[in-house]
Amino acid sequence: KNEVEQSPQNLTAQEGEFITINCSYSVGISALHWLQQHPGGGIVSLFMLSSGKKKHGRLIATINIQEKHSSLHITASHPRDSAVYICAVGLPQFNYQLIWGAGTKLIIKP
Amino acid sequence: DSGVTQTPKHLITATGQRVTLRCSPRSGDLSVYWYQQSLDQGLQFLIQYYNGEERAKGNILERFSAQQFPDLHSELNLSSLELGDSALYFCASSGWNEQFFGPGTRLTVL
Repeated sequence: KNEVEQSPQNLTAQEGEFITINCSYSVGISALHWLQQHPGGGIVSLFMLSSGKKKHGRLIATINIQEKHSSLHITASHPRDSAVYICAVGLPQFNYQLIWGAGTKLIIKP
Repeated sequence: DSGVTQTPKHLITATGQRVTLRCSPRSGDLSVYWYQQSLDQGLQFLIQYYNGEERAKGNILERFSAQQFPDLHSELNLSSLELGDSALYFCASSGWNEQFFGPGTRLTVL
């Protein structure tokens, strides 16, 4: 079993829909990261969180430490949101070495 | 722009050859991480350096080596290249907990 599991693996939705991507992990963490990788390959850090909820524009990330679960939400989705979204967790005892989920490939159709 | 630079952007070479990938971290960041992303696979952690010293090792092959120099830039050396080494190689630097990614080097081994 992978230490970081993401679901779904692939998600296709229509423009405007509310999107939820889930991440579950099985280890103790210092922080959880959500990252975005566009088709060109570049990786952008979206959020780093260790508790509660963070919001940036149309993106919202939540984490439940007790349940070892995080969600990334996209409101009013747009075709430019099409990308791979990756969840990664930082291990406190390993100087923030990240363990990566497999990623969720999101396609938003106009 | 994350502040992390990587060169070259693209590299095409032949099997058996040796290449060097370069990474300059964000100003002030002491940690550099190297990741490999093969086609249709998630990111694999290769190695971490902190202020010139190797801090953590992941799934790095013996044919691969890295170092971090006094000016904190890092180089990843890949030798005896095989077709399966074709991948995107990312470096990231970190300050407190969060990692910032370079644009990646796309290596193609023919």
